[in-house]
Amino acid sequence: SQTIHQWPATLVQPVGSPLSLECTVEGTSNPNLYWYRQAAGRGLQLLFYSVGIGQISSEVPQNLSASRPQDRQFILSSKKLLLSDSGFYLCAWSVGVYNSPLHFGNGTRLTVT
Amino acid sequence: AQKVTQAQTEISVVEKEDVTLDCVYETRDTTYYLFWYKQPPSGELVFLIRRNSFDEQNEISGRYSWNFQKSTSSFNFTITASQVVDSAVYFCALSEESADGLTFGKGTHLIIQP
Repeated sequence: SQTIHQWPATLVQPVGSPLSLECTVEGTSNPNLYWYRQAAGRGLQLLFYSVGIGQISSEVPQNLSASRPQDRQFILSSKKLLLSDSGFYLCAWSVGVYNSPLHFGNGTRLTVT
Repeated sequence: AQKVTQAQTEISVVEKEDVTLDCVYETRDTTYYLFWYKQPPSGELVFLIRRNSFDEQNEISGRYSWNFQKSTSSFNFTITASQVVDSAVYFCALSEESADGLTFGKGTHLIIQP
């Protein structure tokens, strides 16, 4: 069966510090991978989307970047965090075409102080 | 304009009551998919249902039922005989062939009081 791992679960970082959140999927090949952010009262916002290694689509211009160095690994990064980067970050995967449901990790709660 | 609107920010009912969560969507695609997810306090999103735009049959799964009406662009979710474990944030989402990923509504926080 497929599983998705996301870490860390909780992170507190000062403004201006770098960020690296990692997500890995097991049990499937060539998944579509996603990073979403959930801010209070704003639902889930798609940040990045990847259909394959090295292929990243950015949905929202911002202080963050994403990379996919391996087929089942997706990394969210920032060189310098802003206060507005605080939120709940969720990694997800799907297979096949656009109508497939997304399966989410447990999320990372990021607090930028 | 929002593509997925969940007008109810928070709903509070007493256990065993029925409750309906509203979802209204907007799309120009003729083929699209609608989803409902549950987010319990632990944070992970749990997939509940997917419905395609050509299938307007209502669906029932235990105490859960979904009413899809293309004429009103709505995909409402009803929980019958609610239980405390149903307390969560529920998200409606839209998938379009013309867009990446799912577009989520802002969610409805459902509180079931014992």
